[in-house]
Amino acid sequence: NAGVMQNPRHLVRRRGQEARLRCSPMKGHSHVYWYRQLPEEGLKFMVYLQKENIIDESGMPKERFSAEFPKEGPSILRIQQVVRGDSAAYFCASSLSENSQMGQYFGPGTRLLVL
Amino acid sequence: GNSVTQMEGPVTLSEEAFLTINCTYTATGYPSLFWYVQYPGEGLQLLLKATKADDKGSNKGFEATYRKETTSFHLEKGSVQVSDSAVYFCALNAGGTSYGKLTFGQGTILTVHP
Repeated sequence: NAGVMQNPRHLVRRRGQEARLRCSPMKGHSHVYWYRQLPEEGLKFMVYLQKENIIDESGMPKERFSAEFPKEGPSILRIQQVVRGDSAAYFCASSLSENSQMGQYFGPGTRLLVL
Repeated sequence: GNSVTQMEGPVTLSEEAFLTINCTYTATGYPSLFWYVQYPGEGLQLLLKATKADDKGSNKGFEATYRKETTSFHLEKGSVQVSDSAVYFCALNAGGTSYGKLTFGQGTILTVHP
């Protein structure tokens, strides 16, 4: 039973390029969360999605960032025109239900470096 | 708003020493509380959880008790091992309109020496 999968694990982009991060939730999970971890900081919530719907994007910057979770395929976090401040680890987590009292299952993360 | 505050690290201990990592929280309502562990280069793993006051979460020798009166969820282990070296995160889920969103503390780096 595969866990949460993320790819790529490492991504290097130059300023102004686009970064596309993928997340496949655990089998049977339809709730996906994205978090960002800046160097030496805790994780900050970005966005919560269910299949084909964005439920809560209150933690996502209004510009350049977007997220989707299509009916088929992985969830995608897209960062347009990256800047150095976007360098961080981006973690995806999934849960079985909306009420995650059981906790969320995290992927290994994508480490984005913007040169 | 909701927030989690952890004791600042890093924490350095010798093997078999007693560990305490303090965590306090601010939240409306009745949050669920979690401890996650992150090993180098990896994602977060759920270590333990508690969903209501006075619950004790435990796993792999680690324990934490949900104390509503002091709004705390301190992590303890009686005898640490070198393999416990990692970053530990305290987190809460406020429930309600927060859905499953987790609010994390800043993390505490633990290093255990032989």
